[in-house]
Amino acid sequence: DAKTTQPPSMDCAEGRAANLPCNHSTISGNEYVYWYRQIHSQGPQYIIHGLKNNETNEMASLIITEDRKSSTLILPHATLRDTAVYYCIVRPGGLHGSSNTGKLIFGQGTTLQVKP
Amino acid sequence: KAGVTQTPRYLIKTRGQQVTLSCSPISGHRSVSWYQQTPGQGLQFLFEYFSETQRNKGNFPGRFSGRQFSNSRSEMNVSTLELGDSALYLCASSFTGTSGDSSYNEQFFGPGTRLTVL
Repeated sequence: DAKTTQPPSMDCAEGRAANLPCNHSTISGNEYVYWYRQIHSQGPQYIIHGLKNNETNEMASLIITEDRKSSTLILPHATLRDTAVYYCIVRPGGLHGSSNTGKLIFGQGTTLQVKP
Repeated sequence: KAGVTQTPRYLIKTRGQQVTLSCSPISGHRSVSWYQQTPGQGLQFLFEYFSETQRNKGNFPGRFSGRQFSNSRSEMNVSTLELGDSALYLCASSFTGTSGDSSYNEQFFGPGTRLTVL
């Protein structure tokens, strides 16, 4: 079973920030938070991941709470092309996770609809 | 760098037949994982191959099998097809080094093979 809980759907106005929440209250100390998205009929695409510090890359920012029980993916300036299903996944990482690296457990994700 | 490729992209079979799907990972990637996506069950992990050995397995019947070749290319096979096997089958590859850097664990997905069983 997925270890994360996400709202089933969200709307966002084009050009505004999209904030997608994720609860992972049972996360273990060696588990990372990963975000993927899937645009209709395509394969999922990696967005970002983190352990306990906030992370930022060219696509998004990831804010993880201090207790690590929840996180928020932020798309700073959403465009119509960001309309997709966003998946929050927790998984072991690093040396301890090497044996589970290829296995991702997807939940139902959040369908983000960016509107003009 | 070329991405993950999957062939064929679309396939139509009838019940009882078998099917083989192919996946070519990104050059240098040693891990290949397979997923099934259906409207009802979402994305489900099938199995993972690493260095020609099955390393992880999901909760699917024995009709679903796979293998990996020495060049890391992978195939999955479904025998005695059922209507419920109609799905998008996705392949993902990753480098999976043994470093403590979790960035090696990023999965790159292919476009998928759409299988329809009639």
